[in-house]
Amino acid sequence: DGGITQSPKYLFRKEGQNVTLSCEQNLNHDAMYWYRQDPGQGLRLIYYSQIVNDFQKGDIAEGYSVSREKKESFPLTVTSAQKNPTAFYLCASSIRTGSYEQYFGPGTRLTVT
Amino acid sequence: SQKIEQNSEALNIQEGKTATLTCNYTNYSPAYLQWYRQDPGRGPVFLLLIRENEKEKRKERLKVTFDTTLKQSLFHITASQPADSATYLCALTNNAGNMLTFGGGTRLMVKP
Repeated sequence: DGGITQSPKYLFRKEGQNVTLSCEQNLNHDAMYWYRQDPGQGLRLIYYSQIVNDFQKGDIAEGYSVSREKKESFPLTVTSAQKNPTAFYLCASSIRTGSYEQYFGPGTRLTVT
Repeated sequence: SQKIEQNSEALNIQEGKTATLTCNYTNYSPAYLQWYRQDPGRGPVFLLLIRENEKEKRKERLKVTFDTTLKQSLFHITASQPADSATYLCALTNNAGNMLTFGGGTRLMVKP
């Protein structure tokens, strides 16, 4: 089964703690992305990676960090510096960056109290 | 500033009718435009891609138009069904051509 997986589905953390969200794909895609979605709103790009060991900031990178040590994996860390971390986080991948269709994971809903 | 606008109000239609959703953009020169479907609590699913030199594209009951002069795309679902109820997002490539930017989405409700 090819696809993109995210874990966990729901995550609860206390304010001030860092938390890492997992994203794995077995589609052999070069590009991977992290988006944030707030209720009733569209997707905002946090970080993207065009290839292993490379990543670029998106529109709202402050308070987040990523790594891309393996082609299949693109974990996102939500740090304590992120002022409003409670949101729905979506990971996606595509063959390459640009106009190619993106395949999304099921999302992780993070709640920070 | 760059903007992608989709009607934030929900579109309610009767089963069997054609649903038409609008995506307008400013200060973009996209070579491609995409449409996605998103169900509540799930990730978006790709539906259609249309290139700037294509005026219209069809896939089963779906039709997309792309007018680069009006800076607008229309997304049509013919013979709509309750199962078509979802939020529909348009997305286009940024001017650097290296990433997609998504609109806020329009929620479609098809009533039986």
